[in-house]
Amino acid sequence: DTGVSQDPRHKITKRGQNVTFRCDPISEHNRLYWYRQTLGQGPEFLTYFQNEAQLEKSRLLSDRFSAERPKGSFSTLEIQRTEQGDSAMYLCASSPPAGRTEAFFGQGTRLTVV
Amino acid sequence: GQNIDQPTEMTATEGAIVQINCTYQTSGFNGLFWYQQHAGEAPTFLSYNVLDGLEEKGRFSSFLSRSKGYSYLLLKELQMKDSASYLCAAPSGGYQKVTFGTGTKLQVIP
Repeated sequence: DTGVSQDPRHKITKRGQNVTFRCDPISEHNRLYWYRQTLGQGPEFLTYFQNEAQLEKSRLLSDRFSAERPKGSFSTLEIQRTEQGDSAMYLCASSPPAGRTEAFFGQGTRLTVV
Repeated sequence: GQNIDQPTEMTATEGAIVQINCTYQTSGFNGLFWYQQHAGEAPTFLSYNVLDGLEEKGRFSSFLSRSKGYSYLLLKELQMKDSASYLCAAPSGGYQKVTFGTGTKLQVIP
């Protein structure tokens, strides 16, 4: 399977704990996006990487959220001191370096904060 | 910034045609995407319009009017499996950020 892969698929955590999610994009894609989606809403942009550089970060993203893409391949999204409002589906997407830029999404990580 | 509006829900009959509208306001236009998302699954790409007019792809077509800030997705010969949310999305300059609408939940009934 050469699609976008996310791990874990589901995560239940207690409020206040830290969580980390991983995304492996399609291998030739240098653009990587993180989105958050809650029930009944469209995906909400969190951050964007081009290769290893984080070029854009949503102002909605508090300083409890951090993302990395150290070698320009896989990426991690960490949420520190989780809150119940962080419960959502976290989607990763990637797109190729040039031409049409439709994003290919992974299956997402569903986070539940209890 | 980007602002995208689309209806929240629609219902249509199997075999019929349905049109899902999207209006947008963008700070710079770089095309418009449509995605399909089945419940509990990831969005999948349907179409991308950057020029005015209708683009047809099998049972699905997408239309764009840049002057009116308007797009629609047309689904023909509806099938039960077309029940899903349809997301309208617009990229910002440089494609660094794609803003999605809230999605239109389409229910296809027998």
